Amino acid sequence: QQQVKQSPQSLIVQKGGISIINCAYENTAFDYFPWYQQFPGKGPALLIAIRPDVSEKKEGRFTISFNKSAKQFSLHIMDSQPGDSATYFCAASSNDYKLSFGAGTTVTVRA
Amino acid sequence: GAVVSQHPSRVICKSGTSVKIECRSLDFQATTMFWYRQFPKQSLMLMATSNEGSKATYEQGVEKDKFLINHASLTLSTLTVTSAHPEDSSFYICSAKRQGARPQHFGDGTRLSIL
Repeated sequence: QQQVKQSPQSLIVQKGGISIINCAYENTAFDYFPWYQQFPGKGPALLIAIRPDVSEKKEGRFTISFNKSAKQFSLHIMDSQPGDSATYFCAASSNDYKLSFGAGTTVTVRA
Repeated sequence: GAVVSQHPSRVICKSGTSVKIECRSLDFQATTMFWYRQFPKQSLMLMATSNEGSKATYEQGVEKDKFLINHASLTLSTLTVTSAHPEDSSFYICSAKRQGARPQHFGDGTRLSIL
């Protein structure tokens, strides 16, 4: 049973466009929400993370938006580049540090 | 900083063999390490949490006698898949975190194929 629901399963975006991935959770004990990027045959790499006391966090072309009341958070990839083509996972954890991952979104950026 | 190295990257062995996978934090001390399993085109599933100097805690449904975890130092955890069978074939990934910190840093995984 997935504690974090992620959508869409896949998306295709043109170079320079915006990729948007959404996640939702139910467990109100979650207090840390990271996003990971994974290339085929590699381990996930931490992109950006947010805590529930902040509604938005931006690092370079990556922005997390967080809606605590709706228990939803999303990743926006601005000015998408072919090198951004990868699988993206949202995750959440509480104070036991165990990460619950979403199902993943495969992003394809067309040149 | 926060580099995690996993070895070997790929293992192919016969059914019934035991396989050991190493996870090392290269530039930080990892009080806690985690072991995950990932099937093709699926998400990561947590198998166990390993704290330095203590027994690992396993997630429900994970056989602790089959997946032996040792975390003997602040920079090394090992996962041994005992008497591996074809259904154990998967991508095994470790992660490590500093004490008191939330970010988990992942290794590049081990592709285990049991013939």
